[in-house]
Amino acid sequence: QSVLTQPPSASKTPGQRVTISCSGSSSNIGTYTVSWYQQFPGTAPKLLIYSNNQRPSGVPDRFSGSKSGTSASLAISGLQSEDEADYYCATWDGSLNGSVFGTGTKVTVL
Amino acid sequence: QVQLVESGGGVVPPGGSLTLSCAASGFSFSSFAIHWVRQAPGKGLEWMSFISSVGSNKNYADSVRGRFTISRDNSKNTLYLQMKGLTTEDTAVYFCATGLRHGGHAFDVWGQGTLVSVSS
Repeated sequence: QSVLTQPPSASKTPGQRVTISCSGSSSNIGTYTVSWYQQFPGTAPKLLIYSNNQRPSGVPDRFSGSKSGTSASLAISGLQSEDEADYYCATWDGSLNGSVFGTGTKVTVL
Repeated sequence: QVQLVESGGGVVPPGGSLTLSCAASGFSFSSFAIHWVRQAPGKGLEWMSFISSVGSNKNYADSVRGRFTISRDNSKNTLYLQMKGLTTEDTAVYFCATGLRHGGHAFDVWGQGTLVSVSS
């Protein structure tokens, strides 16, 4: 089971802002930077956010990340139908000496 | 272009073995650590294992330690995952992934995945 906890689902109407939380501990989020991934069914995950709040080239600025203490969050503003996907947080865990992923959140655009 | 391509998946009976491969191209494979991540049907992502750039440092998730072995051949730009003692719980799509541009733990390059199905 994952050591990073996310809400299983989130839903908003187009144009609204949705926020996804990711809760960890001192051995992971509390010490290391957080990444976020977007995944569509049947495809590989895509890096959306790295180093807590940085966007790779090509990722729209509607996506933003933040971290505070042992929690992180991903926000999607101006939600679009194409944003309907699964989202995962991830970081390194110093106790496990390995990467850890969040439980995943399915975003639905109503 | 930068690419990771997994192969070797298939159907295997419980208790069986399988070796997955991940062929890299378009970047200096020997300079980067690389990871295996799996996803069971309808489930979330689960980190499996990583190996350092020269293969001197490895680690595994508790769920596979002692059964899976990660290795790499930098002369062939290829990553491997030897899987033994497979159970139905190991049924999943297996991805290889690496972090090229934004730090080793931000995986910006992923393969397309290869499906392992453990079934009698």
